[in-house]
Amino acid sequence: GENVEQHPSTLSVQEGDSAVIKCTYSDSASNYFPWYKQELGKGPQLIIDIRSNVGEKKDQRIAVTLNKTAKHFSLHITETQPEDSAVYFCAASRVDSNYQLIWGAGTKLIIKP
Amino acid sequence: EPEVTQTPSHQVTQMGQEVILRCVPISNHLYFYWYRQILGQKVEFLVSFYNNEISEKSEIFDDQFSVERPDGSNFTLKIRSTKLEDSAMYFCASSVGGGRGEQFFGPGTRLTVL
Repeated sequence: GENVEQHPSTLSVQEGDSAVIKCTYSDSASNYFPWYKQELGKGPQLIIDIRSNVGEKKDQRIAVTLNKTAKHFSLHITETQPEDSAVYFCAASRVDSNYQLIWGAGTKLIIKP
Repeated sequence: EPEVTQTPSHQVTQMGQEVILRCVPISNHLYFYWYRQILGQKVEFLVSFYNNEISEKSEIFDDQFSVERPDGSNFTLKIRSTKLEDSAMYFCASSVGGGRGEQFFGPGTRLTVL
């Protein structure tokens, strides 16, 4: 079955700098890759996603890149702000499995003022 | 903005007891999911539900688990005889479907089995 690995487990960056979180997946049939942000006491919130027919997607300060050949995808956050501090999860899924999400272990992002 | 809601936020139960976790998905969504996260571990898929039946389930979702959509709004997860290892955060999610994968999550129910 699918397995998703996520690195690093903790990332500390200076406010204003960029943050990059990386994930790899094992099932070449996976074709949908969302990223979720989870703040303390709340459920995961979808922040951006990418499908396998696209190599990059951007939404303001957030971007995701996908390398299907290498089976890895990354989240890029530019000009980080204190409110970006949270746990970020990557996930992988397939449309033929009704998009059941297989999750990475999460990255705790700390923005230092 | 519509959101997924879950009740209760925290449930404490004795081992062997039955629990029902409740979720109200977003009203025009057609696909419903349960996930769980044991403290310090990955989020794990349990089950997906569409058109009043289970469409996918994981190995975790054994005979002790069941799901139901008893009316037009609620989606429930029942654990018949809870075990200590069922202690976890349980998340409900819903999706509009139609080839769109975006799932929207509730705030979770923390289940503690004593």
